[in-house]
Amino acid sequence: QSVLSQPRSVSGSPGQSVTISCTGTSSDIGAYNYVSWYQHHPGKAPRLLIYYVTERPSGIPDRFSGSKSDNMASLTISGLQAEDEADYYCCSYAGSSSWVFGGGTKLTVL
Amino acid sequence: EVQLVESGGGLVPPGGSLRLSCAASGFIFSDHVMHWVRQAPGRGPVWVSRISHDATVISYADSVKGRFTISRDNAKNTLYLQMTSLRAEDTGLYYCTRDSAWSFDYWGQGILVTVSS
Repeated sequence: QSVLSQPRSVSGSPGQSVTISCTGTSSDIGAYNYVSWYQHHPGKAPRLLIYYVTERPSGIPDRFSGSKSDNMASLTISGLQAEDEADYYCCSYAGSSSWVFGGGTKLTVL
Repeated sequence: EVQLVESGGGLVPPGGSLRLSCAASGFIFSDHVMHWVRQAPGRGPVWVSRISHDATVISYADSVKGRFTISRDNAKNTLYLQMTSLRAEDTGLYYCTRDSAWSFDYWGQGILVTVSS
């Protein structure tokens, strides 16, 4: 069982928006603004989408956005595209030089 | 282009040992903190270990502490993970990752480790 809780699956139609939640505790998400999100297409290397809760690395479209409130972080994908169908993982720094991940959310684009 | 290429995985019996390597290219390896992250089949990723750019600061997940050793050779642009006393629960895909802003900005494709008799 992963430390951070994510819904197993979400879905949306092209052009719509979806939000993926990530619930942690006051020891990880609630304690640090070091939340990151990753996109993973099976067979490929995971890709960093969001870091520092809301920041996007260069090359990541602004359709991807992150937020945090208390012990919960969220990833919102707007203007869904077929290529967004993938697994998504959240991650948080948890102190003492350790990191925790979520169990992953499978996004289906209908 | 940043590239991280893992090698050294395979099938090993419980109690056995294995050494993973990660060849880095496309960036100044000696400037970056590096990590190993693993993922069991059908599960989320799990952080395993971290090593500072100069190998002076190292940390491990509790589940591998005392059994795994992370190291690096900056002259060879290579990261290592020596794994001993392997258990079935160590089975999974092992990723080499680069640290950036308390996140993992580049990942390798992963290398499969299977612990089974």
